[in-house]
Amino acid sequence: EVQLVESGGGLVQPGRSLRLSCAASGFTFDDYAMHWVRQAPGKGLEWVSGISWNDGSITYADSVKGRFTISRDNAKNSLYLQMNSLRPEDTALYYCAKDRGMVPTLGKDYWGQGVLVTVSS
Amino acid sequence: QSALTQPASVSGSPGQSITISCTGTSSDVGGYNYVSWYQQHPGKAPKLMIYEVTNRPSGVPDRFSASKSGNTASLTISGLQADDEADYYCSSYTSISTWVFGGGTKLTVL
Repeated sequence: EVQLVESGGGLVQPGRSLRLSCAASGFTFDDYAMHWVRQAPGKGLEWVSGISWNDGSITYADSVKGRFTISRDNAKNSLYLQMNSLRPEDTALYYCAKDRGMVPTLGKDYWGQGVLVTVSS
Repeated sequence: QSALTQPASVSGSPGQSITISCTGTSSDVGGYNYVSWYQQHPGKAPKLMIYEVTNRPSGVPDRFSASKSGNTASLTISGLQADDEADYYCSSYTSISTWVFGGGTKLTVL
């Protein structure tokens, strides 16, 4: 059974940093691309970033480019999102999602339950 | 990276059919066959219902179908059931190797 478990969220002040983690199990992690998707309270889904199986392809939404960094450790079956210079508008539930392919192109077939990030002073 | 356009809400009675549209541009929906549809019940994670425009993952009922014409994709749910009441999102790969979601459609089963 595919499982994705996010962690690392919490309350953080504007301008500070936070690192999210996603522990994957139930599939061969290094065969698939991964994504981060977020959802602000009461709002729709927003794609944040995607990474290919071997880090060879990494892309970001304009809203986070230059502030967020996606990475993965295939030996640890883990996905990460380093979030710097956080803004109140980054407040959201952050989902880790598995892609159907090796590059982040085919679509997200499994999702974690999400981790809440709140940016407020 | 403008969001894809979906109707804010649709409704239908049990047993009826509804269709949700998703309009983008030639740089996303119209340019690639990488359109997905997701169902999200309140307080739950999204669930993949359709991938690559028309394909259903195993376990998704065949009451759910989808298509694409030009820059507009569509999701049709036939034989509406109470449990279909949820938010539905379309998503497309884009020409700049990113993904974009629609604003979401709230389906109400009357």
